[in-house]
Formats: sequence, structure tokens, C-alpha cells
Amino acid sequence: GDSVTQMEGPVTLSEEAFLTINCTYTATGYPSLFWYVQYPGEGLQLLLKATKADDKGSNKGFEATYRKETTSFHLEKGSVQVSDSAVYFCASDGGATNKLIFGTGTLLAVQP
Amino acid sequence: SQTIHQWPATLVQPVGSPLSLECTVEGTSNPNLYWYRQAAGRGLQLLFYSVGIGQISSEVPQNLSASRPQDRQFILSSKKLLLSDSGFYLCAWTPFEGPGNTIYFGEGSWLTVV
Repeated sequence: GDSVTQMEGPVTLSEEAFLTINCTYTATGYPSLFWYVQYPGEGLQLLLKATKADDKGSNKGFEATYRKETTSFHLEKGSVQVSDSAVYFCASDGGATNKLIFGTGTLLAVQP
Repeated sequence: SQTIHQWPATLVQPVGSPLSLECTVEGTSNPNLYWYRQAAGRGLQLLFYSVGIGQISSEVPQNLSASRPQDRQFILSSKKLLLSDSGFYLCAWTPFEGPGNTIYFGEGSWLTVV
């Protein structure tokens, strides 16, 4: 079945460091891919998405490129801030429905 | 604009007691509706989804049920809670079915079963 695998956390970085959170997927169809962010005590918010191969999603300095050849959608940011501290979820819709399949989430802690 | 609300935000319930979490969406019609659960230290698990009034699909066999009595109302219930039902419950919606649609989440409900 379809699945999403993302790197284990927590990830602890200093302010202005470079961030990469790895995400890979398996799908029988052609999925759309998403990154959601969850700030402490809140629900999930869409961070960015990509709907086809080679698309790049971007928002708030974060980027992720849909790589079909490596079945990956890694999240990157060039310079993290303390306010980026949150849990980040990679997700796939499997290509056929809106039933999002989520990874386990990666906790990012940014220290000043 | 569309909004989604769910309540209560937090609740502490004894084992064996009933549960009712409610979710409503405003500003749209015929949304797809979802209930997810996030257990402590784990990812999100899809529990139920609905494409219309009275139409409920269950993703995981469990102690919970869902109902959609009105177009924009989605209710998560249990007759007798278990300790393992503790977690963070999220209601969500999309405007229609199709690839690439963003799912929008409510604020979440923290359930602690004691």
C-alpha cells in the first residue's frame, strides 16, 4: 500500500543553520505531496505542496522538490529561525483520493 | 472565507464513559470531511472520512464511530472509552475530491482517558 517515510527526530539546530528533513514515499498512482507544520498545541497547517514530478513547492523560505526518480520530497530551508520550531509532517494523497497519508512527523527545535 | 471549528478543545474522561467530539465547517457546501488521531509521539492516523451526509468510511477498526447528520457537521463518538483512545483528534475538510487538494485542519481536541 501507499506510505510515507520521514526522518526521525528530534532535529536540533542553531538559528541560521541549514535545514533538511528527508521524506520518501511509495504510491501506486501519481500522488500529490505535501508538507504540513504543527506548532505547539495547534492543529496542522499546510506549508507547501507539489502536484507533479519536478514541481517545487515553496513558502516562508521553505522549499521541497517532487523527485519521481528517487520518490522523495525533502524539505529544506537555508536559514532557520527560532519561530520555525514545530513538528513537520510529510504527506501523500496516493494519487487517487484526498485521503492524506502522513509520515510520523519530525520535531524541529531551533535554539537561539 | 471557509472556517472549521471543533470542540471541545480539551477533555478528560474516565474509562468506560461516552465521547462526542463535534466539528463544523462554514463557508462551503458538500465538503469532504475527515477525522484524524495523533497519539502521543506518533504520526497522524486517518480514522474516518465522509463524502456526503450519512456516508462514512472507516479506515481503522476501533472503538470509535463517526456520523454526518448535516452537510457541514461531522461527529466522532464512542459508547465506552478505552485508555488507548487518548490522543489529539483533528477534524479536517477539503472542498471536493480530486488530486492535489489541500486538506484544512481544525484546532484539534485533546482527549485524555483516565
